[in-house]
Amino acid sequence: QVHLVESGGGVVQPGRSLRLSCAASGFTLSSYTMHWVRQAPGKGLEWVAVISNDGSNKYYADSVKGRFTISRDNSKSTLYLQMNSLRPEDTAVYSCARVTSAGRWSDAFDIWGQGSMVTVSS
Amino acid sequence: DIQMTQSPSSLSASVGDRVTITCRASQGISNYLAWYQQKSGKVPKLLMSAASTLQSGVPSRFSGSGSGTDFTLTISSLQPEDVATYYCQKYNSAPFTFGPGTNVDIK
Repeated sequence: QVHLVESGGGVVQPGRSLRLSCAASGFTLSSYTMHWVRQAPGKGLEWVAVISNDGSNKYYADSVKGRFTISRDNSKSTLYLQMNSLRPEDTAVYSCARVTSAGRWSDAFDIWGQGSMVTVSS
Repeated sequence: DIQMTQSPSSLSASVGDRVTITCRASQGISNYLAWYQQKSGKVPKLLMSAASTLQSGVPSRFSGSGSGTDFTLTISSLQPEDVATYYCQKYNSAPFTFGPGTNVDIK
């Protein structure tokens, strides 16, 4: 069965860092483009970042550019999101998501993790 | 960047009603448009990709149409289990922006 499980969330002070992990199982991570999406409490979905299957291409939302870094270790079937210089407005549930088809960049997201809560507060 | 808008932001309809949600892109995105359903406290579920391709297991009362800048999601006969927030998303290129969502409730 295909699964994505996030970890690493928690409460952090403004300006500090946090690294999220997304463990993939039931499929070959190295074949798929992967994304991070976040949802602030009571708000809509916000796309955060994308990484190609081999890690060679990455793009970020303007709201996190220069502060967040997406990466992957296909040998460990794990996706990461390094979050630096965190702000209160980064408070959200962060979910990883897989695109529908192997090898595709432009594709919808068919598999989502349950998410990891990040709270930025002093 | 291309902006995504949805209308209405919320709607309330009776069981059996036909419901239509509109999504508009600020520039043409061909048919690189997905629809997601998110029930309260749950993970988003992919309903439709390529603007009109129903995902496996999604009831046939859901349908999608459109291309370019204007898209619609239609529920032909609203059911109680359809209560959710519906999001459109562009996926032709980064940023992979979501629309603001449409809350659907039962009257």
